[in-house]
Amino acid sequence: GQNIDQPTEMTATEGAIVQINCTYQTSGFNGLFWYQQHAGEAPTFLSYNVLDGLEEKGRFSSFLSRSKGYSYLLLKELQMKDSASYLCAVRDSNYQLIWGAGTKLIIKP
Amino acid sequence: ETGVTQTPRHLVMGMTNKKSLKCEQHLGHNAMYWYKQSAKKPLELMFVYNFKEQTENNSVPSRFSPECPNSSHLFLHLHTLQPEDSALYLCASSPRGDMSGANVLTFGAGSRLTVL
Repeated sequence: GQNIDQPTEMTATEGAIVQINCTYQTSGFNGLFWYQQHAGEAPTFLSYNVLDGLEEKGRFSSFLSRSKGYSYLLLKELQMKDSASYLCAVRDSNYQLIWGAGTKLIIKP
Repeated sequence: ETGVTQTPRHLVMGMTNKKSLKCEQHLGHNAMYWYKQSAKKPLELMFVYNFKEQTENNSVPSRFSPECPNSSHLFLHLHTLQPEDSALYLCASSPRGDMSGANVLTFGAGSRLTVL
């Protein structure tokens, strides 16, 4: 079967750095997405990786290793507003999106 | 208004009721989706419409009935639901339905459904 694994919950301190991991086993690979979802709000797109390496976008970076079936989302200079759930999704060989259950990130002052 | 709008935001219904969820997008997208989001579970794709035509029905029970009158509007008609159907129902749209390239989904805030 197809599977996406992410930690259920993480806690970090304001101003610090946190890395949220995502490992996947899917039938093929056609891209990996990260979305952010604040409680009671819509998931919003953060990043898209299709080639190996690091994509940087301001305080957020996303890394992909296709050979290892692994990605991470790196959040720097954490702010209280970064408290949210982070969803990892992989597009398989049939162009279906396979979703992880999400990682709830709690930021403490 | 911009983005994807869902109404109602909250809905409580009995198992014998009939209700509908509405989704509207103002992004000029051609594909629309219904997802089910349950606590601590991955998003479950329910239906996909591409240019008003249903292109995917992910083995969803017939008590959920989608309707897409045009590329901007999507409905989910609900009848004789079960308590286990209680969840957040998310609508999304994307420029196209083929999911190739960075065909990013734009989500609405969801309709929180409680079935008593």
